[in-house]
Order: sequence, then structure tokens, then C-alpha cells
Amino acid sequence: GENVEQHPSTLSVQEGDSAVIKCTYSDSASNYFPWYKQELGKRPQLIIDIRSNVGEKKDQRIAVTLNKTAKHFSLHITETQPEDSAVYFCAASMVLTYSSASKIIFGSGTRLSIRP
Amino acid sequence: EAQVTQNPRYLITVTGKKLTVTCSQNMNHEYMSWYRQDPGLGLRQIYYSMNVEVTDKGDVPEGYKVSRKEKRNFPLILESPSPNQTSLYFCASSLPGNTIYFGEGSWLTVV
Repeated sequence: GENVEQHPSTLSVQEGDSAVIKCTYSDSASNYFPWYKQELGKRPQLIIDIRSNVGEKKDQRIAVTLNKTAKHFSLHITETQPEDSAVYFCAASMVLTYSSASKIIFGSGTRLSIRP
Repeated sequence: EAQVTQNPRYLITVTGKKLTVTCSQNMNHEYMSWYRQDPGLGLRQIYYSMNVEVTDKGDVPEGYKVSRKEKRNFPLILESPSPNQTSLYFCASSLPGNTIYFGEGSWLTVV
């Protein structure tokens, strides 16, 4: 089955610097890759996603890149701010052929801390 | 408003007393799932359902049951809760290959 590995598990960056979180997946059939941000005590919320027919996607200070050949994708946060401190999860999803439904596998999470 | 609603949000119970955590979504999603989240272990999938009457085990199904009699509801049942099931539980739903929506979470403590 699909396996998603996420690195690093913790990351501390100076405010204003960039942060990069990387994930690899095992199943080449995966075609949807969302990123979630979870603040302390709250539910995970989608911040950006990318599909397998696109190599890069940006939304203001956040970008995601996808390398299908290498089966890895990354989250990039530029000009980090204190409110970026949270746990970030990557995920990989594939549409299951026998049911048209999908199963999503999450990475283990990265705790990002922004130093003032 | 699109939402996933789970109840109760907070519960303290005793070992062995059966409990059910309800989950309901109003987006007509086919896919629903339950996760537990423990410190340092991320989101671990308990059970998932691809549609009505179709359920399957996730990574940590032991001690849990689910049912999917209606498309909108996906309750999580703990027949005989134990202290190692103390955790934060999230219900989630989505369309195939699309954004997952999470409920607000249920904090469960088993003493």
C-alpha cells in the first residue's frame, strides 16, 4: 500500500526566513497531494494542494512542488511569520479503481516553530 | 455551510463502558474516515468508508467498530474502552481524490 514519509519532524526558523518541508510517497498511482496545517488543539485545515498533472503551485507565501519521477513533493513557506508556527501534514491520495472512491495517507507531521 | 460535525467534543469515561462518537457530514461525500492523534504520532487512521455499507480497517482498528448505514453518518464505537484509547479523535470526509474536511475533534479520556 501507499506510504508517505515526511521530513523533518521538527523545524525551527528565524522569522522572515523560508521553511521547507519534504515528503516522499511510494505509490506512483497517487495523484492528489494536499498539505494541512494544524494549530494547537484545533483540526487540520487545508492550506494548499497539488495534483499530479502540475509541477508547482503557489498561493501568496506558500508554494508546493511535485516531482512525479522521484515521487516527492515539498511545501515552501517564504517570509515566515509567527502565525506560521504549527504542525504541518502532507498527504497522498489515489483514486481506487474498483470503487471510484479514494484513500488518503498522511505523513507523520512537522512541527514548525518561528523564532522572533 | 459545509461541515463535519462530531460529538461529543469532550468525554471522560471509565474502562469498559461502551461509548459512541457520532460523525455527520452535510456535503454528500462518499468517503469518510476516523483518525486518532496522539502526541508525536501524527494522524493514524482507524477505519474508513468508501460508501454506504462499505467499510474497511485503517492502520489502528483494534478496539474500534464503525458502521455506515447512511451516507452522511459514520459513528465510531468503542465497545469496551481502555486507557490506551485515550486520544484526540477526528472524523473526516471527502469526495474521491479531493479535499478532506475534518471535524473539530473529540477529546476522549478513559480512566
